[in-house]
Amino acid sequence: NAGVTQTPKFRVLKTGQSMTLLCAQDMNHEYMYWYRQDPGMGLRLIHYSVGEGTTAKGEVPDGYNVSRLKKQNFLLGLESAAPSQTSVYFCASSWASGNTIYFGEGSWLTVV
Amino acid sequence: GNSVTQMEGPVTLSEEAFLTINCTYTATGYPSLFWYVQYPGEGLQLLLKATKADDKGSNKGFEATYRKETTSFHLEKGSVQVSDSAVYFCALSEIGRGSTLGRLYFGRGTQLTVWP
Repeated sequence: NAGVTQTPKFRVLKTGQSMTLLCAQDMNHEYMYWYRQDPGMGLRLIHYSVGEGTTAKGEVPDGYNVSRLKKQNFLLGLESAAPSQTSVYFCASSWASGNTIYFGEGSWLTVV
Repeated sequence: GNSVTQMEGPVTLSEEAFLTINCTYTATGYPSLFWYVQYPGEGLQLLLKATKADDKGSNKGFEATYRKETTSFHLEKGSVQVSDSAVYFCALSEIGRGSTLGRLYFGRGTQLTVWP
């Protein structure tokens, strides 16, 4: 059972570099989310999508962009990485509003 | 607005001890309430949920009751095991007027360590 798969799992970036985190889900879910987890902060929503071709901003969208070209994939981009973006990133998906949300295993990103 | 407050950790217990992790919430509509667990190096997994007042969610010996009068959803387990060591997150998802997202609002997490 694949569920929600994130790649890469670990990455070290230099300040100013760009990268893309890929999230793929095989549950035919409409809703997909990107969260970041920082010590003592819980999880904060970066961007989300309520269907193919749609994206919207969450709590902390600055410095990130997203795309949902295919229903099963949700990409998170960092155009110019900053040390403040050092975090653990979690992708998640759900069938619909209010349904159980399923999480990926996380992507550990360090920006030096 | 919506928010979740859970007790600060870390919580350290001996095996077979009783566990309570407090969680209270603020919501403008009619939330569903969740407990998620995160084991070391892993993502979050749904532990249990309750979708309306007085519902009790339960799983793996853990229980939580949705108390609308006290806006609480405390997590309890009668006898913890070493394998329960993890970070526990309380969360709410609101379905109500104007809400079409169903996003989760998380507490900050409570680290539980159980010693043998």
